[in-house]
Amino acid sequence: SAVISQKPSRDICQRGTSLTIQCQVDSQVTMMFWYRQQPGQSLTLIATANQGSEATYESGFVIDKFPISRPNLTFSTLTVSNMSPEDSSIYLCSVLTHQDTQYFGPGTRLTVL
Amino acid sequence: GQNIDQPTEMTATEGAIVQINCTYQTSGFNGLFWYQQHAGEAPTFLSYNVLDGLEEKGRFSSFLSRSKGYSYLLLKELQMKDSASYLCAVLGPGGKLIFGQGTELSVKP
Repeated sequence: SAVISQKPSRDICQRGTSLTIQCQVDSQVTMMFWYRQQPGQSLTLIATANQGSEATYESGFVIDKFPISRPNLTFSTLTVSNMSPEDSSIYLCSVLTHQDTQYFGPGTRLTVL
Repeated sequence: GQNIDQPTEMTATEGAIVQINCTYQTSGFNGLFWYQQHAGEAPTFLSYNVLDGLEEKGRFSSFLSRSKGYSYLLLKELQMKDSASYLCAVLGPGGKLIFGQGTELSVKP
């Protein structure tokens, strides 16, 4: 299995500001992803974090709003830019291991006022 | 299109057996995951099926039929701590997981 940490675990932010979430995994993994889980909803994929290149975004998500970095095989960041209350959600990092199993980080609970 | 269906909620009694079904229609299929998610926590990996058949892991078993686009998660000897949301997710191309809406399981004494 993979051990994944995320920082911060939670935050309360003001409208119009930005927050960067960090994801660190304890081993090299094939792929890293960022998901969002809005209150009462299931998980939605935001983007695939690609090492050393631009992330691949899903429909409805854009780089200007959710810039993502992945400088190496074990670390990635997601920024939620120009936040509004609709961005209040749990943001989860996940990794796909070499055994084709996908694990999730503990999540970052974001509240935008 | 992508479509994954599972019941919204289920109720079962402590000590009993419950089966949570999941049907899927997706444009690609590389396996099916089941996750458990307690309120306020991240999903926890339960099982991964890529071939047809039953995978047993302690009190939890998962079944897959690729020809029918169908899976189920079987929970035996239910405990109160099993009360949680259970998420069915299909692994598509590029390692992407497509999630169903989740089944909220309530275990009653």
